[in-house]
Amino acid sequence: AQSVTQLGSHVSVSEGALVLLRCNYSSSVPPYLFWYVQYPNQGLQLLLKYTSAATLVKGINGFEAEFKKSETSFHLTKPSAHMSDAAEYFCAVTNNAGNMLTFGGGTRLMVKP
Amino acid sequence: DAGVIQSPRHEVTEMGQEVTLRCKPISGHNSLFWYRQTMMRGLELLIYFNNNVPIDDSGMPEDRFSAKMPNASFSTLKIQPSEPRDSAVYFCASRLSGAGELFFGEGSRLTVL
Repeated sequence: AQSVTQLGSHVSVSEGALVLLRCNYSSSVPPYLFWYVQYPNQGLQLLLKYTSAATLVKGINGFEAEFKKSETSFHLTKPSAHMSDAAEYFCAVTNNAGNMLTFGGGTRLMVKP
Repeated sequence: DAGVIQSPRHEVTEMGQEVTLRCKPISGHNSLFWYRQTMMRGLELLIYFNNNVPIDDSGMPEDRFSAKMPNASFSTLKIQPSEPRDSAVYFCASRLSGAGELFFGEGSRLTVL
């Protein structure tokens, strides 16, 4: 079964600073990888999706993620944090059949003025 | 197009009472998932339906939990009898089979006193 590890349950950055949220998955290459964002009292919204078309994936709100097979990683980045980026972020991977999604534990991003 | 619709958004009940959570998936989606989110355990998959048929219910905690999908546009998650440890946010999500991406509802926050 796939597993997902998000390093750092809490990350704090200053407004305008680089955002880096880490995600590592278990060794077999999953068909799909995702990043979701959850704002307070809301459901999860898709930020971006990797489907093997390109290793660098651009998402909404200026976020992007790079799939690195050699490192089994799919880290999420944004060059300049905005106050509105404060939320919880979840990395997720599918199983080999592509029909079941496993989520990481989430990383809460805090943005300081 | 309307997203995934869940009701109720909030439910407060007493231990021992029956709780029914409802979900209407996005029209045309043929896979439906129920997740539970708690601070301690994060996002847990409870059960997954494909074409109204339960495919994997290994995440259902115990016999007190049951889920049904009588047709393509409606699903319920029932807890009977409820216990304080069932307090959580329950999310429903739907997807077109094979597309990978899940669309989430806004969740039902359950508090069992």
